[in-house]
Amino acid sequence: LAKTTQPISMDSYEGQEVNITCSHNNIATNDYITWYQQFPSQGPRFIIQGYKTKVTNEVASLFIPADRKSSTLSLPRVSLSDTAVYYCLVDAGNNRKLIWGLGTSLAVNP
Amino acid sequence: NAGVTQTPKFRVLKTGQSMTLLCAQDMNHEYMYWYRQDPGMGLRLIHYSVGEGTTAKGEVPDGYNVSRLKKQNFLLGLESAAPSQTSVYFCASSHQGAWQETQYFGPGTRLLVL
Repeated sequence: LAKTTQPISMDSYEGQEVNITCSHNNIATNDYITWYQQFPSQGPRFIIQGYKTKVTNEVASLFIPADRKSSTLSLPRVSLSDTAVYYCLVDAGNNRKLIWGLGTSLAVNP
Repeated sequence: NAGVTQTPKFRVLKTGQSMTLLCAQDMNHEYMYWYRQDPGMGLRLIHYSVGEGTTAKGEVPDGYNVSRLKKQNFLLGLESAAPSQTSVYFCASSHQGAWQETQYFGPGTRLLVL
């Protein structure tokens, strides 16, 4: 099964760019990489998804190198409201399960 | 358009009691899921459904049963609650197709089993 590894926690300040890197060494050829955001007492919310190179939307950018063994979620100019847990997931392919790790707890300080 | 809703929001049970958690979605999604989230464990898939009338086991199905009699509803049952089932339960749905489809989550149900 494709497993992900990401930092347990990160600290940042308002206005900074935050990059969260996720390792997925045994990602399968047809797996996508998906990132979710979870605020306290809420369900996770989809942020961005990609397969290779770079994907950008109104919220974040996702950078995926050629070997696809890692990916980086980039949050530009974070604000206090970006304080949340961020999960990196890869599709587990034929096993039909998404593997949810512990996520990265991001704290944005004033 | 309410998205995914869950009832109840919070419940306290005594060991051995039973209860049903209700999940409803108004997005006409084919896939629905039940997860539990525990401190230090992340989200774990309990059961899922790929369409009306079908259900399948996830990662941690023991002690739970599910039913999908209507496309918009996915019920999670605990026949005899145990303290180990104290958790936050999330329901999610996705349109159809591959597992990388975006999942839309409900607000969660906090369950405490004494």
